[in-house]
Amino acid sequence: SQTIHQWPATLVQPVGSPLSLECTVEGTSNPNLYWYRQAAGRGLQLLFYSVGIGQISSEVPQNLSASRPQDRQFILSSKKLLLSDSGFYLCAWSVHRGGRNTGELFFGEGSRLTVL
Amino acid sequence: TQLLEQSPQFLSIQEGENLTVYCNSSSVFSSLQWYRQEPGEGPVLLVTVVTGGEVKKLKRLTFQFGDARKDSSLHITAAQPGDTGLYLCMKTSYDKVIFGPGTSLSVIP
Repeated sequence: SQTIHQWPATLVQPVGSPLSLECTVEGTSNPNLYWYRQAAGRGLQLLFYSVGIGQISSEVPQNLSASRPQDRQFILSSKKLLLSDSGFYLCAWSVHRGGRNTGELFFGEGSRLTVL
Repeated sequence: TQLLEQSPQFLSIQEGENLTVYCNSSSVFSSLQWYRQEPGEGPVLLVTVVTGGEVKKLKRLTFQFGDARKDSSLHITAAQPGDTGLYLCMKTSYDKVIFGPGTSLSVIP
């Protein structure tokens, strides 16, 4: 069966410090991978998505970046965190059937980032 | 940008009441998904609707897809405290996946 894990679960960082959140998927190959950020009680803002190794699409201009060094690994990074980067970050992978995205997403456990 | 709208934004009801939440888009959905998210966790898929006019039932939850495939509704019968959570609709555009802002439901015992 497929599983997705992301870490760390909780992170408290000072303004200006770097960030690295990691997400790995097991049990599937060539998944689409996504990073979302969520404000408290609200919807998910798509930050990045990737359809393959080294292929990253950015949705929102920001001081964050993403990388996909391996097929089932997706990393969210920042060189210098801002206060506004605080939030709940979710990694997800999606199912493909017949080359089409089915819209069925499976999410990691989430990473809560607090920037002080 | 293809946006999704959801209403109401917040809903607080007593246990046993019925409720309906809505999801709308200015463009046609190829398919639409409903998710539920509990605090501190990732969203979990409830249902996928594909065909205009389609109705799907999941226990006390009834999902309807509009005939024109631009809107959808989620109806909950006899709500229970366990239904509390953030209800999100979602659409796909090629490989991009877009979520609505969500309806935050609180069911009071």
